[in-house]
Amino acid sequence: DTGVSQDPRHKITKRGQNVTFRCDPISEHNRLYWYRQTLGQGPEFLTYFQNEAQLEKSRLLSDRFSAERPKGSFSTLEIQRTEQGDSAMYLCASSLVELPYEQYFGPGTRLTVT
Amino acid sequence: KQEVTQIPAALSVPEGENLVLNCSFTDSAIYNLQWFRQDPGKGLTSLLLIQSSQREQTSGRLNASLDKSSGRSTLYIAASQPGDSATYLCAVMTRNTDKLIFGTGTRLQVFP
Repeated sequence: DTGVSQDPRHKITKRGQNVTFRCDPISEHNRLYWYRQTLGQGPEFLTYFQNEAQLEKSRLLSDRFSAERPKGSFSTLEIQRTEQGDSAMYLCASSLVELPYEQYFGPGTRLTVT
Repeated sequence: KQEVTQIPAALSVPEGENLVLNCSFTDSAIYNLQWFRQDPGKGLTSLLLIQSSQREQTSGRLNASLDKSSGRSTLYIAASQPGDSATYLCAVMTRNTDKLIFGTGTRLQVFP
């Protein structure tokens, strides 16, 4: 499968614990995005990378959130000291740095904080 | 600030009907507009992408149009089927940004 993959698909954690998600983009794509989607809403942008550089972070991304893309390939999103409000679907997407900038999404990681 | 609105929020139709989903956006300076399908609890599947220089795109029973000057796009689904039941999301990429701004989606149910 040459699409975007995410791991794990589901994560249940207790409030206060740390969690880490992984995203593997389409291999030739140099842009990688993270979005968050809560129930009944459209996805909201969190951050994105071009190669290994993190170029933009949303104000939604509090200090408890950190993302990395160390070698310009896969990316990780870590949430420290999780809160119930962090419960959401975390979506990863990738694209090329050229028109039409089409983004391809992975299956998402569903986080439930109890 | 770009805002994307989708109407209606939900739609229920009998099988075989042709239907139109609407998307509007406030800033017409866009690179592209994408329509996605999302099944419950799943990720997003890209349906159609229209570049800012284009007026429409077609894929099978789907046709998407773009009127950039009025800030509107429509997704036309011909001869709807129960398998089309899903949430349809519209998203735009505004010039000088590199992220998609999404609407809240239209939840479609097609019943036999």
